[in-house]
This record gives sequence, structure tokens and C-alpha cells, in this order.
Amino acid sequence: DTGVSQDPRHKITKRGQNVTFRCDPISEHNRLYWYRQTLGQGPEFLTYFQNEAQLEKSRLLSDRFSAERPKGSFSTLEIQRTEQGDSAMYLCASSSLGDLDKGQPQHFGDGTRLSIL
Amino acid sequence: AQSVAQPEDQVNVAEGNPLTVKCTYSVSGNPYLFWYVQYPNRGLQFLLKYITGDNLVKGSYGFEAEFNKSQTSFHLKKPSALVSDSALYFCAVRAMDTGRRALTFGSGTRLQVQP
Repeated sequence: DTGVSQDPRHKITKRGQNVTFRCDPISEHNRLYWYRQTLGQGPEFLTYFQNEAQLEKSRLLSDRFSAERPKGSFSTLEIQRTEQGDSAMYLCASSSLGDLDKGQPQHFGDGTRLSIL
Repeated sequence: AQSVAQPEDQVNVAEGNPLTVKCTYSVSGNPYLFWYVQYPNRGLQFLLKYITGDNLVKGSYGFEAEFNKSQTSFHLKKPSALVSDSALYFCAVRAMDTGRRALTFGSGTRLQVQP
């Protein structure tokens, strides 16, 4: 179990630029989640994939945000035309395979910290 | 809608003393409840969960939590605090049987354990 891996760990960019983050989940996990965490707050849900299907999207996920999981393995989160308010930690999590909902915990990566200049 | 309240921004406790970090929740139907811990510049580490059954659940690193349905609470406890327990703790909830997987987190409680 190598854990959830996120790349890059830090990203600094100028306002208006596009950025893309990558998440590699725990290998046998078929569910993958993206959250955003701003300073002093708990994580806020953005979106959720089961295999390659995007099943839930938060209203926080504006048109400038897009997430993909093309082969049901790694996922990317892209932010277009970044704004100051996008500065945050972007966390990826995964949870285990299982058709039944048994409250499987989500396991988090160490996040990508985005800073907008 | 589901929500979590962590009423204390910070909890201070002396090493060796018992600790409690409070959490109350609101959800439609029955809840799944979780506690996570976060160290600086790291992601969240899973500590324990409540699904159903015994109201007292045991988790990692000697932590436990007590589910109280009537008070809609899920307080985190540890009998004897360690300095290394100092971190940010988050309570999270999601509703059972809805098909939705999104967790709703509280705003976090910073635990400071003094030597």
C-alpha cells in the first residue's frame, strides 16, 4: 500500500494561467475524490469518480474547473484562468472497491498547494 | 443538507491527561461518522469511523470516539494524551443509504498537548 500520491506538491502561478494537478490513488481503490482546503478550514468536496465515471460534482466546481479520470486509474484536476480565490490546498482521496456502501474511509494524499500571484 | 460543528478552535491539555475533542453533526437519516488528523503540510490521516453497532469505537493511536444519537454527537477521546498527538483534528459526516459519497467536514480543532 503506497498511499495516495499527488503531484506537484506545490504550484505557484500567475493569475490567469491554467494549472493541472495529478492524483494517483491507492492501486486497488476504484473511488477517487477531490477536495479543496483553504487556510483554517476543513476540506470542501469538489467531485467524485467511481472508476472513470464522474458521479458527483459540487457547486464549488465552477466552469473553470474540470476533472478527469480517463482509465479509472489516475485523475487530473485542471483549473483554467486561475483567480486569487483559487489559492488553496487541493486534496485527493481514494476509497476501496465494493458495491455495498459500508462506510469505507477515504484515504487522503498530501495535497497540492496552489498559490496564485 | 449535512453539516458538522466543532465548537472548539483549540483544545489544550497536559501530557498524560485525558483529552476530548467535540463534534456534533446534522444529517438526514443515519450517519457515517469519521475522525481524521492532519499534521502541518500533510493530508488527512484516517483515525476511526462509526458505521453502526457499538456506540464506542476504537481507532488508531489509542483514540476512541463515542457516538450519541440523541445528542447527534461524536466526540473524540483519548485516556492519556501524548505531546505527539498535537495536530489538527477534523470530524466528518455523510449520510448512509443515499448513494452520495461526499464527506462534509467540520472546521477543525487544534489540539495542543503540553509536556
